Amino acid sequence: GAGVSQSPRYKVAKRGQDVALRCDPISGHVSLFWYQQALGQGPEFLTYFQNEAQLDKSGLPSDRFFAERPEGSVSTLKIQRTQQEDSAVYLCASSFWLDSSNQPQHFGDGTRLSIL
Amino acid sequence: AQSVTQLGSHVSVSEGALVLLRCNYSSSVPPYLFWYVQYPNQGLQLLLKYTTGATLVKGINGFEAEFKKSETSFHLTKPSAHMSDAAEYFCAAENSGGSNYKLTFGKGTLLTVNP
Repeated sequence: GAGVSQSPRYKVAKRGQDVALRCDPISGHVSLFWYQQALGQGPEFLTYFQNEAQLDKSGLPSDRFFAERPEGSVSTLKIQRTQQEDSAVYLCASSFWLDSSNQPQHFGDGTRLSIL
Repeated sequence: AQSVTQLGSHVSVSEGALVLLRCNYSSSVPPYLFWYVQYPNQGLQLLLKYTTGATLVKGINGFEAEFKKSETSFHLTKPSAHMSDAAEYFCAAENSGGSNYKLTFGKGTLLTVNP
C-alpha cells in the first residue's frame, strides 16, 4: 500500500483481556517503530525493529507488552492482561532506514485502544 | 536523556495572522529536529525537518522553522494562518549520534484559527 496501515482502527476490550494490534509498514521499509500516545499528550516511544531484529524495547511499560516482527515486514504489538492505563492511541511508523536524517519516519493513523 | 519542550499547549490566532509555535530541546549535541502535524483521528504528518546545513528550513503548506543552536530552539512559523491549519502540532527530536533512533516528542500545541 501507499502508506503505513494499522488495524484495527478502534479496539475496545475489558480489563484483563489480551489484545493484538497490527502494523503493515510501507513496502521496503527496514525500520519499524511503535509509539503510545495518551490522551492530550505527545507520542512516547515503545520499541523499534530493524528488519526482524528488535533493537530497542526500552520504552515498553511492563512485561505485559510484547512486540514482534517475525518476517521483517508486518509487526504485532500484543498487550496481555490489559489495564485501564493501557488506554491510548498506539502509533506505528516505518522508515527506509534507521536514521531519520534522510528518510523520516512515516506514521500510520493509529489504533485507539479503550480498556473498560 | 533528550527532552523536548513546547511552550503553550494551546495557541489561538486569527485567519491571516502570523503563526508562531515554540519548541526547545535539551541535549548539548544538536539533534535532528522535526515538526509533525496531527489532524483529529489521524496519524502524524511531517511538516519539515532539520538535520544539518541551512538553519532555516522550509516545509509543506507554507510553514518554516529556524534552528538556533545558541537558544536550543526550533520554532515553527507561518506568515499567514489559514483555517485549514487548525490541528495539533508536535515538535520531535532524534539524537544525531547514530546510536538511538527513536523520536522524542513534545506534548504538542493545539492551534486554533479564528475566522
